[in-house]
Amino acid sequence: QITLKESGPTLVKPTQTLTLTCTFSGFSLSTSGVGVGWIRQPPGKALEWLALISWNDDKRYSPSLKTRLSITKDTSKNQVVLTMTNVDPVDTATYYCAHKQGTPSDAFDIWGQGTMVTVSS
Amino acid sequence: QSVLTQPPSASGTPGQRVTISCSGSSSNIGSNSVFWYQQLPGTAPKLLIYRINQRPSGVPDRFSGSRSGTSASLAISGLRSEDEADYYCAAWDDSLSGYVFGTGTKVTVL
Repeated sequence: QITLKESGPTLVKPTQTLTLTCTFSGFSLSTSGVGVGWIRQPPGKALEWLALISWNDDKRYSPSLKTRLSITKDTSKNQVVLTMTNVDPVDTATYYCAHKQGTPSDAFDIWGQGTMVTVSS
Repeated sequence: QSVLTQPPSASGTPGQRVTISCSGSSSNIGSNSVFWYQQLPGTAPKLLIYRINQRPSGVPDRFSGSRSGTSASLAISGLRSEDEADYYCAAWDDSLSGYVFGTGTKVTVL
């Protein structure tokens, strides 16, 4: 059974760096075709894809946020870390990590429960 | 920032058929697989349809997907109260080299 769980701060101040961790089980990020992505959802708004890291360390980022994001993986700990620099109140959202299998263009089939992050001074 | 456009709302009475559209372009829906996600209130999105019209195990066959050119559709037949949720389309975009989501459609069961 595949599960993912997001963790990180619930409150971050503007201009600070946000670090979120996705801890997963039931699969390995060293297995061919596997990937983990991050998606966020501001309150009452639509989903927005942020980043994706694949088994071969291929990394993809949302073009609009690329300069502020970094995604890394620790295969031994079954974790994926997303870092977002210089946060702003508009970054307030629920952040989800999700599993995908196959090519980068395949679906995110299993999602974590999400973690709410508020950016405020 | 959504690249894919959906109607903000759709509704129907129990038992009716509801269709949700998703409009994109040649770089996303027109050339890649389309996915649909269901998000029940206060929960994480759940994959409903993948590769345009395939259902993951456990998804009722009341849900079906299709694609025509640069648009896609999700149909819910035999609408039930538990189908009341937000629905999002998604696809890979070759121009952006990234994943794009739709604007979302809230389905209400009257």
